Amino acid sequence: GAGVSQSPRYKVAKRGQDVALRCDPISGHVSLFWYQQALGQGPEFLTYFQNEAQLDKSGLPSDRFFAERPEGSVSTLKIQRTQQEDSAVYLCASSLVGSSGRGQETQYFGPGTRLLVL
Amino acid sequence: AQSVAQPEDQVNVAEGNPLTVKCTYSVSGNPYLFWYVQYPNRGLQFLLKYITGDNLVKGSYGFEAEFNKSQTSFHLKKPSALVSDSALYFCAVRATLPSGAGSYQLTFGKGTKLSVIP
Repeated sequence: GAGVSQSPRYKVAKRGQDVALRCDPISGHVSLFWYQQALGQGPEFLTYFQNEAQLDKSGLPSDRFFAERPEGSVSTLKIQRTQQEDSAVYLCASSLVGSSGRGQETQYFGPGTRLLVL
Repeated sequence: AQSVAQPEDQVNVAEGNPLTVKCTYSVSGNPYLFWYVQYPNRGLQFLLKYITGDNLVKGSYGFEAEFNKSQTSFHLKKPSALVSDSALYFCAVRATLPSGAGSYQLTFGKGTKLSVIP
């Protein structure tokens, strides 16, 4: 079956440009997460949606970062006025539901979008 | 706050030998623990998880991990390494209950690069 897909896979932006990164979760997955992975580091949490509700945005590094999931499926992560420190791989993950029920905790990751800000 | 430590940046092992990739964690309450593998220019692939029950968890591709509550460890193991196992391995932890913001975010270690030498 189809996994999590992300687009574009690679994005080069000039400093100051706005970018939009798209995530298509696994069909039927209620929970959606965005993570940022800097070079040589593990992924770090950015934000979390349950359906269309953004329940946690505590990991967003600044108000230049904005995420939405208006219909509870596809999500977009937008970065305004990009800076060089925004260069990273942005990973999207989805899970069936955010409960503690068995078999529903696993997050499945997409291939990521590699963003390079020049 | 939850955290994960992977004390080895790199592990080298000869093909056919057993391998261990170490992970220790810190979290409030009972942990949910995960191992993911990342190949170059790919997203994270789920390997296995510990939720509850048997401390020895078996996962994909012959990998297993042992949960040790007293040592707060969740080391990844495989009896006989393959060259194709060479990749970046990430340990992750999640609290049993959501954070105050209602998130089920994963906290990752920095990753361990496994090199299996033919």
